[in-house]
Amino acid sequence: QSVLTQPPSVSGAPGQRVTISCTGSSSNIGAGFNIHWYQHLPGAAPKLLIYGNINRPSGVPDRFSGSKSGTSASLAITGLQAEDEADYYCQSYDTSLTGYVFGTGTKVTVL
Amino acid sequence: QVQLQESGPGLVKSSQTLSLTCTVSGGPISSGTYFWSWIRQPAGRGLEWVGRVYPSGTTNYNPSLKSRVTMSIDTSKNQFSVRLTSVTAADTAVYFCVREDGFQTGGGYFDYWGQGILVAVSS
Repeated sequence: QSVLTQPPSVSGAPGQRVTISCTGSSSNIGAGFNIHWYQHLPGAAPKLLIYGNINRPSGVPDRFSGSKSGTSASLAITGLQAEDEADYYCQSYDTSLTGYVFGTGTKVTVL
Repeated sequence: QVQLQESGPGLVKSSQTLSLTCTVSGGPISSGTYFWSWIRQPAGRGLEWVGRVYPSGTTNYNPSLKSRVTMSIDTSKNQFSVRLTSVTAADTAVYFCVREDGFQTGGGYFDYWGQGILVAVSS
């Protein structure tokens, strides 16, 4: 039951900047809960990319950045590289569902 | 480096019980700093949080699965487990065991993931 909405796909040429939106509501993002982002390559385990809206774990390139405003959040990838081609998911907590929720997922294609 | 590894049957018959175990290495599961979660991904679909267990045994479950799921933890073996009863084809998914940094103000996040195990439900 995805209550966080993401665009199904985004694409860009190498070197370009792409952004992925994550739209929630007053019971999750709008309630002040943090947004976290994951990168999921086919056949691999999802990888934490951004936590606490804006923070990058050690080892994550600074090409990845997160932001949050109101009931939405965004992940930006600058200097797009072929290795960035993957599925990306946002995640938060929802008070109505009393549990963690993930976004619908966005496939990033590098043209 | 923390590592998680799922194990269990890859095929379960409809109406029966799915049981999976996650073995954690690289650190004690008894640490009170983290929760231990299960997340699943049906083929072609997104991620779904199943639930979590704390070293004390306290659990929290996805409300949509709460009537069918049970999680437990064995700190002596550094393992935690999930059982899902009365499975149907809708429970066919890749199941990931995950470490959750759950004491963050504003909600927790999942920082270490297992590789995932595909569980298919057959009729």
